[in-house]
Amino acid sequence: QSALTQPRSVSGSPGQSVTISCTGSSSDVSYYNHVSWYQQHPGKAPKLMIYDVTKRPSGVPDRFSGSKSGNAASLTISGLQAEDEADYYCCSYAGSYTRVFGTGTKVTVL
Amino acid sequence: EVQLVESGGGLIQPGGSLRLSCSASGFTVSSNYMSWVRQAPGKGLEWVSVIYPAGDTYYADAVKGRFTISRDDSVNTLYLQMNTLRAEDTALYYCAKGCTCAFDAFDIWGQGTMVTVSS
Repeated sequence: QSALTQPRSVSGSPGQSVTISCTGSSSDVSYYNHVSWYQQHPGKAPKLMIYDVTKRPSGVPDRFSGSKSGNAASLTISGLQAEDEADYYCCSYAGSYTRVFGTGTKVTVL
Repeated sequence: EVQLVESGGGLIQPGGSLRLSCSASGFTVSSNYMSWVRQAPGKGLEWVSVIYPAGDTYYADAVKGRFTISRDDSVNTLYLQMNTLRAEDTALYYCAKGCTCAFDAFDIWGQGTMVTVSS
């Protein structure tokens, strides 16, 4: 149950796009289409942004999109806004009813 | 309103026990899969345990044999019994509700309860 690998930080100017990668293994990201993404502002609880690799819950702006290729999933934020500055975590189902989170990425809006 | 409220955290000595509670409102705990997720100070999220509607339970290797997840349907509350606590269990513990939209995603989170294991 090793944590999925994410870059420590990414940054972009307002209006730009940023992409966060989430690298796993053949036991999790690669094998299952159950990857989710969470946004966490400082001092706040995580918020579900993407589930099942590409799907957005009601209320999440369509600026947020997810994808997967092989053992790596990605979250793209298009048209970056100031309120998008937060920590982001991926999570993948890992079989046997367990799941594993990513190491987390801090998104900075310049 | 759908809401989760955790309680029961505190300062506990290594080797001690603690029971966390997660009171739910606006939905039925027993009809959803529910998890505990923790976050050590300044660190990332770590999945701890899950309970499914049928009652089956699963744990992360780091807590297996020491932690027990359960629920009380009469009070619509989720629990986490933590035994043989270690310094590395120090974290903010969140309970989270499984999304009915997906096999594995959590759409409602509490604000967390802090557990500090220290002598």
